[in-house]
Amino acid sequence: EVQLVESGGGLEQPGRSLRLSCAASGFSFDDYGMHWVRQTPGKGLEWVSGISSDGRFTDYADSLKDRFTISRDNSKNSLFLQMSGLRADDTALYYCAKLGVNGVYDFWGQGALVTVSS
Amino acid sequence: EIVLTQSPGTLSLSPGERATLSCKTSQSISSSYLAWYQQKPGQAPRLLIYGASSRATGIPDRFSGSGSGTDFTLTINRLEPEDFAVYYCQQYAGSPRTFGQGTKVEIK
Repeated sequence: EVQLVESGGGLEQPGRSLRLSCAASGFSFDDYGMHWVRQTPGKGLEWVSGISSDGRFTDYADSLKDRFTISRDNSKNSLFLQMSGLRADDTALYYCAKLGVNGVYDFWGQGALVTVSS
Repeated sequence: EIVLTQSPGTLSLSPGERATLSCKTSQSISSSYLAWYQQKPGQAPRLLIYGASSRATGIPDRFSGSGSGTDFTLTINRLEPEDFAVYYCQQYAGSPRTFGQGTKVEIK
């Protein structure tokens, strides 16, 4: 059974940093690209970042590329999102999502809530 | 960036009725790189349809997708109680991947 479990969310002050993790199991992690997608009541679902199966290629939403860094550790079946310079509008539920062979998100985690507030 | 516009915002229907959800894209999407997801309260989105019309594994055949170019449709035949949820379309033809704002299917 595929499982994606996010962790590392919480309350952080504006300007600070936070690192999200996603622990994957139930599939061959190093065969699949992985993405982060966030959700807010106001803006809905927003793609954040993606990384290739081997970690060589990454992609970011234009508005986030200077502050967010995606990475993965295939030896530990883990995906990460390093967020710096946090702003109030980064407040969201952050999902990690597995990229299926058809190029869509075939599995999602339950999300990690990030709240940015002083 | 490709903008996806879903309509209606809310669809009020009774169990057993048919739901027709629309998703229009600001640019033509090649090879029908259009997906549909279902999301229930407190849950992550679940993949329903990819490639505009292919059902994901385990999705009942009352769900069907159609369309091409800039106009896409998700149809749910004979609504079951568990189908009342929010539905999102998403394009994955290019970066950034973008989502529609969602259509809520609620019980009338």
